[in-house]
Amino acid sequence: AQRVTQPEKLLSVFKGAPVELKCNYSYSGSPELFWYVQYSRQRLQLLLRHISRESIKGFTADLNKGETSFHLKKPFAQEEDSAMYYCALSGLGGGATNKLIFGTGTLLAVQP
Amino acid sequence: EAQVTQNPRYLITVTGKKLTVTCSQNMNHEYMSWYRQDPGLGLRQIYYSMNVEATDKGDVPEGYKVSRKEKRNFPLILESPSPNQTSLYFCASSFRSGRVLGNEQFFGPGTRLTVL
Repeated sequence: AQRVTQPEKLLSVFKGAPVELKCNYSYSGSPELFWYVQYSRQRLQLLLRHISRESIKGFTADLNKGETSFHLKKPFAQEEDSAMYYCALSGLGGGATNKLIFGTGTLLAVQP
Repeated sequence: EAQVTQNPRYLITVTGKKLTVTCSQNMNHEYMSWYRQDPGLGLRQIYYSMNVEATDKGDVPEGYKVSRKEKRNFPLILESPSPNQTSLYFCASSFRSGRVLGNEQFFGPGTRLTVL
């Protein structure tokens, strides 16, 4: 079964500290993984996707197929990073191609 | 401005009173989808549509209906709402999948529904 697991509901760090938001997935095919972010009173929006291999707002995420993980990392957290972060999986090919499966989300709180 | 719009943004209703939440996008996206967001459960897909007149169930379709008569609109219909459908609802759209596009979905602002 397709599943995305985010084990932490809340992650609280101090400004300048490193951040790692965990995401593990279960999927038998070749997945595409995404991180979406929802800032306070804003729409859910795409932060980054593994296929792009890019760094957005200082965040990076590497797909580890051996560990089935797609953890989101940032070396130095900023207060404006405080938001709800969702890891999501989309299957390639077949009926699941356009289906996004979300994790339960992790609330990142960056303390001054 | 390219966007997904939803109406109403807030709705309080009573059990059994039929309601419709509208969703519209101006990006010529083929794919549209509805999600509900509940504390501790994240976002769960209700229904999705690959194109006009092509809809399919998501993970939690019970109690909901959708239609896709035009490409830009994808209304969510609750024929007989119940209190367990109290939630925050999001509409989203994207181009149809291709490897290159990677299925980025654009979300609406959300509709907060309370069923008494």
